Amino acid sequence: LAKTTQPISMDSYEGQEVNITCSHNNIATNDYITWYQQFPSQGPRFIIQGYKTKVTNEVASLFIPADRKSSTLSLPRVSLSDTAVYYCLVAFNAGNNRKLIWGLGTSLAVNP
Amino acid sequence: NAGVTQTPKFQVLKTGQSMTLQCAQDMNHEYMSWYRQDPGMGLRLIHYSVGAGITDQGEVPNGYNVSRSTTEDFPLRLLSAAPSQTSVYFCASSQMGGYPEAFFGQGTRLTVV
Repeated sequence: LAKTTQPISMDSYEGQEVNITCSHNNIATNDYITWYQQFPSQGPRFIIQGYKTKVTNEVASLFIPADRKSSTLSLPRVSLSDTAVYYCLVAFNAGNNRKLIWGLGTSLAVNP
Repeated sequence: NAGVTQTPKFQVLKTGQSMTLQCAQDMNHEYMSWYRQDPGMGLRLIHYSVGAGITDQGEVPNGYNVSRSTTEDFPLRLLSAAPSQTSVYFCASSQMGGYPEAFFGQGTRLTVV
């Protein structure tokens, strides 16, 4: 059964590093893992995408182990403005089709 | 650069009424999709399109119709609104199915009474 699992909520403080892990068994072999950020009353916004090992951009890093059964979004030195909901998105093979599955989101609260 | 534009932002319908949610993108993306977002259920795919003239059903298509006559536009139609369709609706576009990234509109908050 295709499923993604991520923590419902997390708390942090300004300046800390935050790691959010998404579990996703049996994802499609050749598909990317993608993370989005969503603020209230806005659409999700792309953060980072990766296939394996480690990907880093100006806002985050994404760690993907060799078995690709999970992925970890790392936000360095968070600020109050990083308070948002974070979603992982993966693809699963569904017969001859490819099915995109969103996690239910992790609500991150950054405290002063 | 407008990106993905959704209209309206808010709408209240009576049960049985019909309406069309509009979505337009100016990035020449082939792939467009509609999602609904409900508390505790994340984003669920309603319909998607891989190009003009081609549409397909997603995870929760019942009660919704779509068409894709142009690359830019992908309207979502509710033929006979039901309270269960009360939700926030998002339109998204990308070059391919989610790659390299999908761009989302600001959402339409729909209430069916």
